[in-house]
Amino acid sequence: EPEVTQTPSHQVTQMGQEVILRCVPISNHLYFYWYRQILGQKVEFLVSFYNNEISEKSEIFDDQFSVERPDGSNFTLKIRSTKLEDSAMYFCATAQGRNNEQFFGPGTRLTVL
Amino acid sequence: KNEVEQSPQNLTAQEGEFITINCSYSVGISALHWLQQHPGGGIVSLFMLSSGKKKHGRLIATINIQEKHSSLHITASHPRDSAVYICAVMANTDKLIFGTGTRLQVFP
Repeated sequence: EPEVTQTPSHQVTQMGQEVILRCVPISNHLYFYWYRQILGQKVEFLVSFYNNEISEKSEIFDDQFSVERPDGSNFTLKIRSTKLEDSAMYFCATAQGRNNEQFFGPGTRLTVL
Repeated sequence: KNEVEQSPQNLTAQEGEFITINCSYSVGISALHWLQQHPGGGIVSLFMLSSGKKKHGRLIATINIQEKHSSLHITASHPRDSAVYICAVMANTDKLIFGTGTRLQVFP
């Protein structure tokens, strides 16, 4: 069964460093999402992406964050200058259509020291 | 006030028991997801529904759009069902709004 994959599974970085989290969507999916979950809290929406553009972003998704799909397969989330509070589990999700079921990747645990 | 509320927050059961987890929401939605999150953190989609009832194996999900309420039922619960169950709604956009989850532990 096709699945969403994410790399790395765990990333440890120093505050102020840039990180790039990668997601490979299911092949015929066109809608892409990033969510995050701070330890012990609920999952929160970050950004949605379709047709090489951001469709919607949350207040969390400030200028330090960016997304792109540079090579038509990987969907990436970049955090330019990480802060301690960026430590969280980051989930990629993809869907075939706008209001279709979303399928989640296994997540990347980001730890900022 | 949270847009998506789940109850109970924690639930323990003996193997074989019938489990019900409830979700209420305060916004208009196009669909509702039930998700399962295991201790390792990964999230698995169980159901997406916008009306009526869906069944998959021992899992049943129902939704009442007028009452803004959904339930997830697990029949003949098993220790491997132990996980966090999350209700998430798709409001007027396609982003998901998540509940805080229900932690289920099933003991042998």
